[in-house]
Amino acid sequence: NAGVTQTPKFRILKIGQSMTLQCTQDMNHNYMYWYRQDPGMGLKLIYYSVGAGITDKGEVPNGYNVSRSTTEDFPLRLELAAPSQTSVYFCASRGGLGFYNEQFFGPGTRLTVL
Amino acid sequence: AQSVTQLDSQVPVFEEAPVELRCNYSSSVSVYLFWYVQYPNQGLQLLLKYLSGSTLVKGINGFEAEFNKSQTSFHLRKPSVHISDTAEYFCAVTQNQAGTALIFGKGTTLSVSS
Repeated sequence: NAGVTQTPKFRILKIGQSMTLQCTQDMNHNYMYWYRQDPGMGLKLIYYSVGAGITDKGEVPNGYNVSRSTTEDFPLRLELAAPSQTSVYFCASRGGLGFYNEQFFGPGTRLTVL
Repeated sequence: AQSVTQLDSQVPVFEEAPVELRCNYSSSVSVYLFWYVQYPNQGLQLLLKYLSGSTLVKGINGFEAEFNKSQTSFHLRKPSVHISDTAEYFCAVTQNQAGTALIFGKGTTLSVSS
C-alpha cells in the first residue's frame, strides 16, 4: 500500500493564480482531511469529508474548495492564491467509525504564493 | 470548545538523557488523546494514543505518555533519547462525536545533540 499520496511536493504560485492540490489514499478510508501547517502554529483543519459526495468546512476554509467524487481522491482547490495561503498542506485519512482511530498523513505539499 | 496547549515550543537535550514534553488540554467532555511525531520534511505519524483504561500508554520508539484527568495533562516521556528522536512532536485531542476532528497543539521541537 502506498498509503496517502500528495502531489505536487512543492509549488510556487503568483498572487491570483489557481491550483489544485491532489490527495489520494489506497486504504479505502471513508474519512479524509486537509490541514495547513504554519510555523509555530500546529495544524489547522481546512476541510474534511466523511465519504464520497460529503464534505464540510473545518476551522480555516476561506479561500479553498474541495470535492470528493470517489473514496480514494480528495483534491483541494485554491481559486485566487494569496500570500496568506503560503503554507505546508497535509492530507490525511482515517478508517473505521471510531474517532479514536489513527489518522494517516501524506508527505505534504509546500506552497509559496508570491 | 476543546484546546490543546503544549507548554514548551523547543526542548534541547543531550543524547541518552531523559525527556518530557508537556501537553495540557481543555474539554468539558471525555476526550481521546494522541501524540504525533513529524520528522523533517515528512508527514505526521502516530506515536501513541489514549482512549480509556490504564493511564500509562506505551507507544513506538520507546515513548510513553501518562494521562492525568485531574491535571488535564498528557505528557510524553522517554527515559533515554537518541539523535534520531530529533523531530517535532504534536499533542492532539478529539471527542467521540460526529463532526469533530483532531485539534492539534502548536508543537514542540525536540533537538537531541551529542
